Amino acid sequence: SAVISQKPSRDICQRGTSLTIQCQVDSQVTMMFWYRQQPGQSLTLIATANQGSEATYESGFVIDKFPISRPNLTFSTLTVSNMSPEDSSIYLCSVNDNYGYTFGSGTRLTVV
Amino acid sequence: QQQVKQSPQSLIVQKGGISIINCAYENTAFDYFPWYQQFPGKGPALLIAIRPDVSEKKEGRFTISFNKSAKQFSLHIMDSQPGDSATYFCAASAGYAARQLTFGSGTQLTVLP
Repeated sequence: SAVISQKPSRDICQRGTSLTIQCQVDSQVTMMFWYRQQPGQSLTLIATANQGSEATYESGFVIDKFPISRPNLTFSTLTVSNMSPEDSSIYLCSVNDNYGYTFGSGTRLTVV
Repeated sequence: QQQVKQSPQSLIVQKGGISIINCAYENTAFDYFPWYQQFPGKGPALLIAIRPDVSEKKEGRFTISFNKSAKQFSLHIMDSQPGDSATYFCAASAGYAARQLTFGSGTQLTVLP
């Protein structure tokens, strides 16, 4: 299955700042997905990123808050903008390859 | 609207016992049903998956049972081991490759030695 490298693995950020999370895949994939997992909770899809087109955001998530880039078929970034303590979560990227949906190890974000 | 309901929220099983986690879905367009295992500090890892054209799939100690008419599916972990202690998520998607996963709420499994 695809191998996903996600950076950073964790960060502590001041409120009002922004953090960009990187997701690198070892193979070319059409679609990449960004999820949020709040402490002790399930995974919620933030957006779907296709290379060469605007990301598609789920209800409750907006581009101004979570801008996404997808410059090529192996890389994507998610930015968490103007952070507040409510943004403290684990953020995960995911791809779908021939073996199913694979997830990165996640970025644990704490906003203070 | 929660489209995949998972139970129980937590489960404690003795070593060697059977762990059973249940999920129910509403969207009849779902046609791919994976289970994920997540350890603390790690991303979810695919455990086993099933499509609605079969009623059961077994891989080692892990079995998915699927009931299309009831819109339910379950994960059975036979001979549960302490190393199986993790959070388990069921999920579903419609159209497999083109659609994102909808996750259940998760089950925290503890297997006592």
